Amino acid sequence: DAKTTQPPSMDCAEGRAANLPCNHSTISGNEYVYWYRQIHSQGPQYIIHGLKNNETNEMASLIITEDRKSSTLILPHATLRDTAVYYCIVKGTNAGKSTFGDGTTLTVKP
Amino acid sequence: GAVVSQHPSWVICKSGTSVKIECRSLDFQATTMFWYRQFPKQSLMLMATSNEGSKATYEQGVEKDKFLINHASLTLSTLTVTSAHPEDSSFYICSAEATDTQYFGPGTRLTVL
Repeated sequence: DAKTTQPPSMDCAEGRAANLPCNHSTISGNEYVYWYRQIHSQGPQYIIHGLKNNETNEMASLIITEDRKSSTLILPHATLRDTAVYYCIVKGTNAGKSTFGDGTTLTVKP
Repeated sequence: GAVVSQHPSWVICKSGTSVKIECRSLDFQATTMFWYRQFPKQSLMLMATSNEGSKATYEQGVEKDKFLINHASLTLSTLTVTSAHPEDSSFYICSAEATDTQYFGPGTRLTVL
């Protein structure tokens, strides 16, 4: 699976959009980009995933660059409950296991 | 979304005893489940891949005789930590795959005294 690079930490003001970047320059053509988040002492929560098109669901939007070497997770209106560690993972659909990096600790401040 | 449960949510045991952790997919069937371990302030580390009806595949450095995995049905996988020691104290998390997406359980906090 391709390696990902994320900033270790980010702050965001409550009510503002949180934009979390992820670099995955060695991504293969059949690999998807997945985003999870982990709130303290809980299991990771699935947020969204995509292959090459932008995706949106009730939680977030995922923007993938045309060359697919990077992506951005957007939380449109961050709340204090969005404070968590966010993981960007790249994997093929048949690879099964997910390999976690260090993620980005997002702190939403009032 | 798909729901994965774990039991127990936390357990405290004495050194030398064995502890069993259950992972269930509640609303879907999973031929493959995964077991992760997470130490404080660290990321999740994959321990093993659990396959229904066959032997688990362990990651390098994970002792298969110490961490016994049984995936007896399409909705249940168990992890048994045998002869637990204080260094096995950790947060154990399982996951199951549904429609190409992994869903994670809430985790089990193991403390070995």
